[in-house]
Amino acid sequence: DGGITQSPKYLFRKEGQNVTLSCEQNLNHDAMYWYRQDPGQGLRLIYYSQIVNDFQKGDIAEGYSVSREKKESFPLTVTSAQKNPTAFYLCASGVGRHNQPQHFGDGTRLSIL
Amino acid sequence: AQSVTQLDSHVSVSEGTPVLLRCNYSSSYSPSLFWYVQHPNKGLQLLLKYTSAATLVKGINGFEAEFKKSETSFHLTKPSAHMSDAAEYFCVVSDGGSQGNLIFGKGTKLSVKP
Repeated sequence: DGGITQSPKYLFRKEGQNVTLSCEQNLNHDAMYWYRQDPGQGLRLIYYSQIVNDFQKGDIAEGYSVSREKKESFPLTVTSAQKNPTAFYLCASGVGRHNQPQHFGDGTRLSIL
Repeated sequence: AQSVTQLDSHVSVSEGTPVLLRCNYSSSYSPSLFWYVQHPNKGLQLLLKYTSAATLVKGINGFEAEFKKSETSFHLTKPSAHMSDAAEYFCVVSDGGSQGNLIFGKGTKLSVKP
């Protein structure tokens, strides 16, 4: 079945530590997206990528970094500069056109130890 | 700039009664609009989409939404709620750019009482 796989489902970060969240898709989509979800705030865009080796900052990129070395993969690193990283992180992919929906993974919940 | 407002943060209905989740949008052009559903600790699933074809859009699980340009609304309805409909629902508008970026409402949590 085609879809988006996020791993791990739960992740814990120590102070000063960088952590990387994995996102893989087999939908052959060009565009991939990372969102942060906090209770009562909807989804906020962190980074997005339209093609391999290119990505753009979203609304809340500070403290995060990404790479897009392969079409199928779009990992997100939460760096120690992100002072409030506790949230639910969602990865999505799509064809990258305004009238087409995005498809979502099941998310990674990041907590601070 | 495009924006979307979900008018209720929480809606509670009894099983078997109608569901109405309200959404207003702001857009400087003819928008693409979507409704997504999220069950606890899960990703978002597309319920339906409006992309300038028929104004009444039918989705999965018996949901439908009507695009009303004069009211800038895109409310989600279902004739009869089921316990499995309990979830959070997001109204979403395309930002109008060529890159497919979306703008999300803050969500409406639907509770269904037996």
